[in-house]
Amino acid sequence: GENVEQHPSTLSVQEGDSAVIKCTYSDSASNYFPWYKQELGKRPQLIIDIRSNVGEKKDQRIAVTLNKTAKHFSLHITETQPEDSAVYFCAAFINSGGGADGLTFGKGTHLIIQP
Amino acid sequence: DTEVTQTPKHLVMGMTNKKSLKCEQHMGHRAMYWYKQKAKKPPELMFVYSYEKLSINESVPSRFSPECPNSSLLNLHLHALQPEDSALYLCASSQGTDYEQYFGPGTRLTVT
Repeated sequence: GENVEQHPSTLSVQEGDSAVIKCTYSDSASNYFPWYKQELGKRPQLIIDIRSNVGEKKDQRIAVTLNKTAKHFSLHITETQPEDSAVYFCAAFINSGGGADGLTFGKGTHLIIQP
Repeated sequence: DTEVTQTPKHLVMGMTNKKSLKCEQHMGHRAMYWYKQKAKKPPELMFVYSYEKLSINESVPSRFSPECPNSSLLNLHLHALQPEDSALYLCASSQGTDYEQYFGPGTRLTVT
């Protein structure tokens, strides 16, 4: 099955600086890569996603890049704010053609924004 | 309605009890999912329903039994659970299996 590695496990940045979280995946057939933000005690919320036919996608302060050859994708948050503090999960989707088609998540990154 | 709802919010059950978790969405999504999330861990896929057809994750014990009565509802029947099954159980739905998934708020389950 798919395996998703995520780094770092904890990231502390000064407010206003940028944050980058990196993920790698194992199965080249994966074709959909979402990022979720989860605040303590709350549900995961989709913040951005990218498909395998696109190299980069941006939404205001958040961007995601995908390198299919290297099988890695990254989340970039610019001008970080205190409300960006949360756990961020990357995920990969593979259509296994009849199996349990769903998301495989990375282990998460605890992002801490220092005031 | 753009939300996935789950009931109950919290559930405490003994190892001999039978209980059910419920999930509902009215977004017309045709795929629904159950995930299990332990503290400080990522969500772990348990079951997928696509067009009301079940895809089974073979690592899920038989004490967890999913049911999809119709395209808007998803249940998870629990029987003879173990304390290690205590976790947050998340339901999600999506337009199709390779589309964005929207999560419900979860049911916090404690098995005593």
